[in-house]
Amino acid sequence: GIQVEQSPPDLILQEGANSTLRCNFSDSVNNLQWFHQNPWGQLINLFYIPSGTKQNGRLSATTVATERYSLLYISSSQTTDSGVYFCAVNQGGKLIFGQGTELSVKP
Amino acid sequence: DVKVTQSSRYLVKRTGEKVFLECVQDMDHENMFWYRQDPGLGLRLIYFSYDVKMKEKGDIPEGYSVSREKKERFSLILESASTNQTSMYLCASSPGLTVETQYFGPGTRLLVL
Repeated sequence: GIQVEQSPPDLILQEGANSTLRCNFSDSVNNLQWFHQNPWGQLINLFYIPSGTKQNGRLSATTVATERYSLLYISSSQTTDSGVYFCAVNQGGKLIFGQGTELSVKP
Repeated sequence: DVKVTQSSRYLVKRTGEKVFLECVQDMDHENMFWYRQDPGLGLRLIYFSYDVKMKEKGDIPEGYSVSREKKERFSLILESASTNQTSMYLCASSPGLTVETQYFGPGTRLLVL
């Protein structure tokens, strides 16, 4: 089956810094999603982005499907951005998740 | 607004107990999913259901069963809880199987002693 890998596994930032999270996938996909899991465990949909670029406030995402990767950009990070970021691809109705990037933003 | 609720945020059970985790969605979604989340392993699919009374095994169904008697409710059952089932359990729903995103509940942290 398809493999989804995320990097880095952990990231510590000072408030106000920018960061880039990466998601690689092993096969062609026609959809990709980014989620944020807050410290209380709730998974929140950030982007549905099979290709191209989308922006939502300080967050933006780019997927280059032909090269099998997606990037999540966080600008001017805030402490509330802390948590785990997951990418996932949909294969036959099932979401295949990466292992996540754990982000900690320090004040 | 999309809403998926789970019956408990935290649960402590003893080895051998039968455990029920309940999930309810109010969006009239066809599909519902149960995942478990463990450190370093991400989320892994246990079971999913694409219609009432229908169920499909996910990647790690061993030791679990499910029930979907009504469209809005999807139950995960641990027939005889074991310590290796200590985990975070997440329920999700989606309107379709292909391109629609999934919406997640708040999760249940289960500790099996």
